[in-house]
Amino acid sequence: GQQLNQSPQSMFIQEGEDVSMNCTSSSIFNTWLWYKQDPGEGPVLLIALYKAGELTSNGRLTAQFGITRKDSFLNISASIPSDVGIYFCAGQGDRDDKIIFGKGTRLHILP
Amino acid sequence: DTGVSQDPRHKITKRGQNVTFRCDPISEHNRLYWYRQTLGQGPEFLTYFQNEAQLEKSRLLSDRFSAERPKGSFSTLEIQRTEQGDSAMYLCASSVDYYEQYFGPGTRLTVT
Repeated sequence: GQQLNQSPQSMFIQEGEDVSMNCTSSSIFNTWLWYKQDPGEGPVLLIALYKAGELTSNGRLTAQFGITRKDSFLNISASIPSDVGIYFCAGQGDRDDKIIFGKGTRLHILP
Repeated sequence: DTGVSQDPRHKITKRGQNVTFRCDPISEHNRLYWYRQTLGQGPEFLTYFQNEAQLEKSRLLSDRFSAERPKGSFSTLEIQRTEQGDSAMYLCASSVDYYEQYFGPGTRLTVT
């Protein structure tokens, strides 16, 4: 079945640093989504991407839909303590297909 | 817009008991999804409704699981004869058609 590989699994960074994480798939997706999940809460949608090559920003977050449609990247600039959490990528084939989630990248910020 | 709500937030039950969870979607959203999430994993799709019609069910949804959305608004997910392997976070999400899905806070189920 379809699988998404997210990397890295976890990151330890200093406050103020920029962060990059990515997601790859063996299958083509037509939609890429990035969510953030805090402990004990549901995922919160950060960015949705619908077109290959698309680059979309949401504040300090920027995500790109890879040209091959098999990957996506999320960058966070100038990290702050509230960025701590788990970031999930998710992909969707056709519009009515179910969404497939990666296993997440856990972000830790060192004081 | 009050967002997606789920009740209860936490449920502890003994193996063999039945449990029921409720999800209230964002009011104008016609689609409602149920997911299961275990530790260290992303959410896994269980089933979804468009209005009151249940359109797809995952093979993860064994015959002990049943979901309903009787009036096309709130939904319930029932697990009969719970097993320890059912312990997980159960997440609900809603959307307008196939557009972005917005998640609720989840119900954490612990089966002892």
